[in-house]
Amino acid sequence: QQQVKQSPQSLIVQKGGISIINCAYENTAFDYFPWYQQFPGKGPALLIAIRPDVSEKKEGRFTISFNKSAKQFSLHIMDSQPGDSATYFCAASTGGSNYKLTFGKGTLLTVNP
Amino acid sequence: ETGVTQSPTHLIKTRGQQVTLRCSSQSGHNTVSWYQQALGQGPQFIFQYYREEENGRGNFPPRFSGLQFPNYSSELNVNALELDDSALYLCASSSGQGWDTEAFFGQGTRLTVV
Repeated sequence: QQQVKQSPQSLIVQKGGISIINCAYENTAFDYFPWYQQFPGKGPALLIAIRPDVSEKKEGRFTISFNKSAKQFSLHIMDSQPGDSATYFCAASTGGSNYKLTFGKGTLLTVNP
Repeated sequence: ETGVTQSPTHLIKTRGQQVTLRCSSQSGHNTVSWYQQALGQGPQFIFQYYREEENGRGNFPPRFSGLQFPNYSSELNVNALELDDSALYLCASSSGQGWDTEAFFGQGTRLTVV
């Protein structure tokens, strides 16, 4: 059973554009929703995370939007840059940032120059 | 770099063999989690060790086992390897429990079972 569904599988954006990746979850006990960035040959690295009592969190060019009633959350990357080209994973957990993370299948983002 | 080191980086094993993967956690971190990332998939939680005790396990069979040592480094052991065990194995270390305690991932060990 896939508890976190992520879309799209792949995304191509022009430099300066907005990249949007969506995730939906099923388990209402999840209380932590992070996004990870993974470059080839590297492990995932935490980008930004949100708790379910907040509807939006922004850090630099990265914003998480969270809709608790719809059980959905999304990552927006503003002013996308070629260096943002990577695989992005949404995740969720019931125990905070370092416990039993359930990941989506990932989105391969390509930002063209 | 995260300070989390995994070895080896690549490994090829034959079906039915046993394998041990190693993780050296970041200095000061007492919690290590292991994840399996199949090609084209997100990481899947295998188990976590906190201060040398197993602290939760994902949906993996008993042939996946682990250890954490007094210096908080960790091993993942897989017995009776199957072809489907081919994956990138990631460890993540953190300094204890808590909502804001970030887990830092190593670069992974790529295991190929033939």
